[in-house]
Amino acid sequence: GAVVSQHPSRVICKSGTSVKIECRSLDFQATTMFWYRQFPKKSLMLMATSNEGSKATYEQGVEKDKFLINHASLTLSTLTVTSAHPEDSSFYICSASRSSGGIQYFGAGTRLSVL
Amino acid sequence: ELKVEQNPLFLSMQEGKNYTIYCNYSTTSDRLYWYRQDPGKSLESLFVLLSNGAVKQEGRLMASLDTKARLSTLHITAAVHDLSATYFCAVDMEDSNYQLIWGAGTKLIIKP
Repeated sequence: GAVVSQHPSRVICKSGTSVKIECRSLDFQATTMFWYRQFPKKSLMLMATSNEGSKATYEQGVEKDKFLINHASLTLSTLTVTSAHPEDSSFYICSASRSSGGIQYFGAGTRLSVL
Repeated sequence: ELKVEQNPLFLSMQEGKNYTIYCNYSTTSDRLYWYRQDPGKSLESLFVLLSNGAVKQEGRLMASLDTKARLSTLHITAAVHDLSATYFCAVDMEDSNYQLIWGAGTKLIIKP
């Protein structure tokens, strides 16, 4: 199989704090990982693409200083929402693929609520 | 620019009926995907279609791909309540670094 674990599944935090979300590929090495954001009743919006060992490529309009992405190993990528504000509340989903262009396997998602 | 249009966006139907969700895309793509999403959950992969004429079936769901028409369909046969969910199609292509381009999703409600 190709299992992607995302943690935590839900987080509630105060405005101004930082939140880290982890995305792990459990049974394969993920050369490429993706981070998506989904607003209620909307489709997925790609935030950034990260390749192991290199800087993430952010989509237009996504603040790289606010959404820090680290892909330090072939099985782990993290998304840190820095100084979170209520407008950052959303459902964040990661995915991983074995290679650039490979099929993406999705994590379970993280629901972030910023008070 | 690769665009994906899905219709209908909302569908309410009775159990036992058949229906089809359509996914049109604007330019040649390499792969077409169908996903299911339950409320508050992430995406569950249903089908990956790779070539013209590809047809895949799983239970009451059948997906097909016509690359010449740039159209994929997801057909639901004798719908049951458990199939209520939002269904997304997505395509990717090498020219776009295999970035997934998503349809808007079809919210399907199946009434007992």
